[in-house]
Amino acid sequence: GESVGLHLPTLSVQEGDNSIINCAYSNSASDYFIWYKQESGKGPQFIIDIRSNMDKRQGQRVTVLLNKTVKHLSLQIAATQPGDSAVYFCAESKSTSYGKLTFGQGTILTVHP
Amino acid sequence: NAGVTQTPKFQVLKTGQSMTLQCAQDMNHNSMYWYRQDPGMGLRLIYYSASEGTTDKGEVPNGYNVSRLNKREFSLRLESAAPSQTSVYFCASSEAPGLNTIYFGEGSWLTVV
Repeated sequence: GESVGLHLPTLSVQEGDNSIINCAYSNSASDYFIWYKQESGKGPQFIIDIRSNMDKRQGQRVTVLLNKTVKHLSLQIAATQPGDSAVYFCAESKSTSYGKLTFGQGTILTVHP
Repeated sequence: NAGVTQTPKFQVLKTGQSMTLQCAQDMNHNSMYWYRQDPGMGLRLIYYSASEGTTDKGEVPNGYNVSRLNKREFSLRLESAAPSQTSVYFCASSEAPGLNTIYFGEGSWLTVV
């Protein structure tokens, strides 16, 4: 659901389940999208990216889906592990914007053993 | 594998004091960035440097100045700190502006009292 201020969306899953984290982006001119993982007390860590000429991209245990029609991005994590527990941010950018990223609010993923 | 290194990691300032956050990257990247992250929110761009010798304002530049000292180093200065600048600050870098992965440092926790 939606969140305001300090209340980030949360997702709780059991170890081994698949996780899906969703993100709605705001700028229809954005053509580059990135998912970052941020563990407590650390900086964001790059997970996977996708350009607007693609609708799906796969990495190791992760898949990003892009639906430009509804401006929606999702991150799928297969066989989720306790080490995947973190805050996940989507970010959008325009290729002409000198790498300036606009971040979403974030989703807290908690994986229970 | 140092990547992006920020100092200091923690700092407490009194209102009106000045300080400089230092950042260095060892990846030979051309572009560097300063972001701030407030509780429960994504990162917001303060300033960026597309290449050595250039700097530009981001989304929230007021109250800050930056210096791209050389290709490796990009500093952020608060001339007269305000409580509203209490935040976590992240330096980042990328190979070039545009469609390149942005790598983040570990963050600097700043409290202004």
